[in-house]
Amino acid sequence: QVQLQESGPGLVKPSQTLSLTCTVSGSSISSGIYYWSWIRQPAGKGLEWIGRIYSGGSTKYSPSLKSRVTMSVDTSKNQFFLKLTSVTAADTAIYYCATSVYCGDDCYPFLDHWGQGTLVTVSS
Amino acid sequence: QSVLTQPPSVSGAPGQRVTISCTGSNTNIGAGYDGHWYQQVPGTAPKLLIYGNINRPSGVPDRFSGSKSGTSASLAITGLQAEDEADYYCLSYDISLSGYVFGTGTKVTVL
Repeated sequence: QVQLQESGPGLVKPSQTLSLTCTVSGSSISSGIYYWSWIRQPAGKGLEWIGRIYSGGSTKYSPSLKSRVTMSVDTSKNQFFLKLTSVTAADTAIYYCATSVYCGDDCYPFLDHWGQGTLVTVSS
Repeated sequence: QSVLTQPPSVSGAPGQRVTISCTGSNTNIGAGYDGHWYQQVPGTAPKLLIYGNINRPSGVPDRFSGSKSGTSASLAITGLQAEDEADYYCLSYDISLSGYVFGTGTKVTVL
């Protein structure tokens, strides 16, 4: 059973870069079995997919965030990462990492395993 | 603004049946992409409820069922229970947005 745990600063200043880590257990990122996604949810609002990365490093980002998002993996630590630049208060949200089973480059299966989420607040 | 529209809220008495619609378009559900459903109890992460329009993961009660028709997906809960009070979201892929899209979310209240 794959388990995911998000971590990172809970407070980020406006215009700075938000950096989060998702630590994976129960599966190896390098196995190539899964895609690794980030999703966020502002307080009291709906879910928004940010993007995903595959073990080989290929990425797909939401068009609305693409200019500010970078995802990466560290297979030696079994972790993957999210960086979001030039943050504003609108980026305040709970950030989740999640998995979906790999099925090809242009395939979008359901998201099955989720982390518990981490709250990031953008404020000076 | 999501391209998958859900009713903001639905409610029912214990034991009743409620349905939640997820209305999309010809660039997502109507284009043949699957609809999936998640249950989110406040303060917790979303939990997969239905995948591939109609399939239940192991451990999900058969009170939950999914369907798809045209540009919409639907989730039905029969024999409503107090523990079903939660927010429910649909998920699909949108070819014009080149990524996943979530529905607007529906709050289910058990009267």
